[in-house]
Amino acid sequence: GQNIDQPTEMTATEGAIVQINCTYQTSGFNGLFWYQQHAGEAPTFLSYNVLDGLEEKGRFSSFLSRSKGYSYLLLKELQMKDSASYLCAVRDPLDYKLSFGAGTTVTVRA
Amino acid sequence: DTAVSQTPKYLVTQMGNDKSIKCEQNLGHDTMYWYKQDSKKFLKIMFSYNNKELIINETVPNRFSPKSPDKAHLNLHINSLELGDSAVYFCASSRMVGAQETQYFGPGTRLLVL
Repeated sequence: GQNIDQPTEMTATEGAIVQINCTYQTSGFNGLFWYQQHAGEAPTFLSYNVLDGLEEKGRFSSFLSRSKGYSYLLLKELQMKDSASYLCAVRDPLDYKLSFGAGTTVTVRA
Repeated sequence: DTAVSQTPKYLVTQMGNDKSIKCEQNLGHDTMYWYKQDSKKFLKIMFSYNNKELIINETVPNRFSPKSPDKAHLNLHINSLELGDSAVYFCASSRMVGAQETQYFGPGTRLLVL
């Protein structure tokens, strides 16, 4: 089975940094994805990690440790438009199915 | 042009009815998916098709029947709708199965069963 955990909610101030953790216990691993979903909209792709280490993309970075079953998404220089739900998803190596966590709702305050 | 489109965007219907949701992608992708997102925002895979062939079929009631007439379309037909079917249904597509291929999601269909 797949077990993917992330905090339910986080609040931060505009301009600050927020780190969203994701831990997973899955029967297999073929990559970890982070998606952003604004209220009432579709999820959009943010990042992909399959090897250990940090992937940086502008204000967003994602880290993976496969031995620890752990990833985080780092959002820097927070803007109001970053208020959204952030979904962690792990891909199965056999059928390439994505299993999603419940999402972390980030609220950015002025 | 919209990459992944779904119709309708909103669907309100009575329990027991049969309804269909349509999905089209113009990205030239080989693989398409249906997801269900419930009120707790959990996104769960329902079905996946690769080149019109069913490759993922999760534990979904057989009232749900996907149909892929061609690579660019994946429709979802739901028979005998129940209250618990109320959710947002997302269609998605990816270029191929596996590798670094990310999935592109449609705007969602908000289904409310009364």
